[in-house]
Amino acid sequence: EAAVTQSPRNKVAVTGGKVTLSCNQTNNHNNMYWYRQDTGHGLRLIHYSYGAGSTEKGDIPDGYKASRPSQENFSLILELATPSQTSVYFCASGVMGAQNTLYFGAGTRLSVL
Amino acid sequence: GEQVEQLPSILRVQEGSSASINCTYENSASNYFPWYKQEPGENPKLIIDIRSNMERKQTQGLIVLLDKKAKRFSLHITDTQPGDSAMYFCAASASSGSWQLIFGSGTQLTVMP
Repeated sequence: EAAVTQSPRNKVAVTGGKVTLSCNQTNNHNNMYWYRQDTGHGLRLIHYSYGAGSTEKGDIPDGYKASRPSQENFSLILELATPSQTSVYFCASGVMGAQNTLYFGAGTRLSVL
Repeated sequence: GEQVEQLPSILRVQEGSSASINCTYENSASNYFPWYKQEPGENPKLIIDIRSNMERKQTQGLIVLLDKKAKRFSLHITDTQPGDSAMYFCAASASSGSWQLIFGSGTQLTVMP
């Protein structure tokens, strides 16, 4: 099965601090995604990437940046963390073509105090 | 942005009965509709999907129906077991051939023994 690894698994940050969430995939998938999961909202797309060097805005990009330095790695950056960004963040990779399947990482639980 | 509405948000059924979850989408160009299951503390995993050239798909106790005219699709779990208790998400492709998925807000299914 496809492997997507997120780090850290849990993070406590202070308001105004910088937070970087990392994601690594070993499946050679072109596409990678960052979602946040909140009760009542399901999974909402923050940023995504078509390949190394590419980042695109999803539905809720405000307050987040993304970086895709290589095929394997995709980071989500909160330059100035706010309590409203407390959430569970999921990274996913996929090949949108015949399969269209997303493979999710285990998630990162972020608390901003 | 585009939305996928998912109902109900909470569903409790007796073991052995069936469970149904319904989703509606907005974009008539959407052509791919997956369902993901998320067990407590785990990442979402694809369980079944259907494409717009089909009206019905069945696998291992799961049935998905698609009504393109009504822009509605549904998941039916037959003969539910306690192991089916989980959060279920429907999703729709943002547009034909799109690499983005728009997720519903989720249904928390509990199967009572």
